[in-house]
Amino acid sequence: EVQLVESGGGLVQPGGSLRLSCAASGFTVSSSYMSWVRQAPGKGLEWVSGIYSVPATYYADSVKGRFTISRDNSKNTVFLQMNSLRAEDTAVYYCARIPSGPQGPLGYWGQGTLVTVSS
Amino acid sequence: DIQMTQSPSSLSASVGDRVTITCRASQSISSYLNWYQQKPGKAPKLLIYAASSLQSEVPSRFSGSGSGTDFTLTISSLQPEDFATYYCQQSYSILLTFGPGTKVDIE
Repeated sequence: EVQLVESGGGLVQPGGSLRLSCAASGFTVSSSYMSWVRQAPGKGLEWVSGIYSVPATYYADSVKGRFTISRDNSKNTVFLQMNSLRAEDTAVYYCARIPSGPQGPLGYWGQGTLVTVSS
Repeated sequence: DIQMTQSPSSLSASVGDRVTITCRASQSISSYLNWYQQKPGKAPKLLIYAASSLQSEVPSRFSGSGSGTDFTLTISSLQPEDFATYYCQQSYSILLTFGPGTKVDIE
C-alpha cells in the first residue's frame, strides 16, 4: 500500500528556515515523480516543487531560489528545504506522487503538515 | 506558466441534481487535465485523470470531458458525500498548475 507521511511543519519567524520531510512506503522515491503542493488557510491549491526520477527539479516562481527539493533514496524520503520564509508561505504542505509518469495526475497524497510563518 | 480558470467559483445544489463545472486552460493542454475533490481538513482526492478517465473506486456518477483548452466535470446525480470543493489541474507542463476551485454546497 502506498503511503506518504509528511513531518517537519511548525511555527517559524519570517526570514527563518524549515525542512519538511515526506516518508514514503509501498514504492521507491528514486524511480518516482514527487511533488509538494501547498494550501494557504482558506485558499486553493498551489503546486510548489517537483522532483523527477532523471533526476531533475522544478519550482514555482513564488519559491524559486528560496526552496530546495531533494530526496534520500536510502531513507525513501523526499525533503523540502525552505529558506527565507515569508508570511505568505504559511500553508498546509502536502507531499504527492505521480504514479504514472511525468505528465500523470497526482494520484497519492499525504495528510499534510502545517507551516506557520509569523513573528 | 499555464493559467487555469474554473467556473463557477461556487454553486448551491440539491441531492439528485446534475452538476457541471467547467475548467479552461490559457493554452492548449491536449488531454492533460485532472480533477480533484477536497473536503475540509482533508487532502485532495483524484477523481478524473487525462480529462475523462475515472480513477479507480470513484463512483461512475462522476465524469469528465474536453480537450485542448476547455474541460468539464459532471456529477450526474449529486449525493450528500459530494459536497466539497473541486479543483482542475493541468499536467501538460512540468510546472503544474491548479484552477482556483469550485465549492459545491447544499442548497
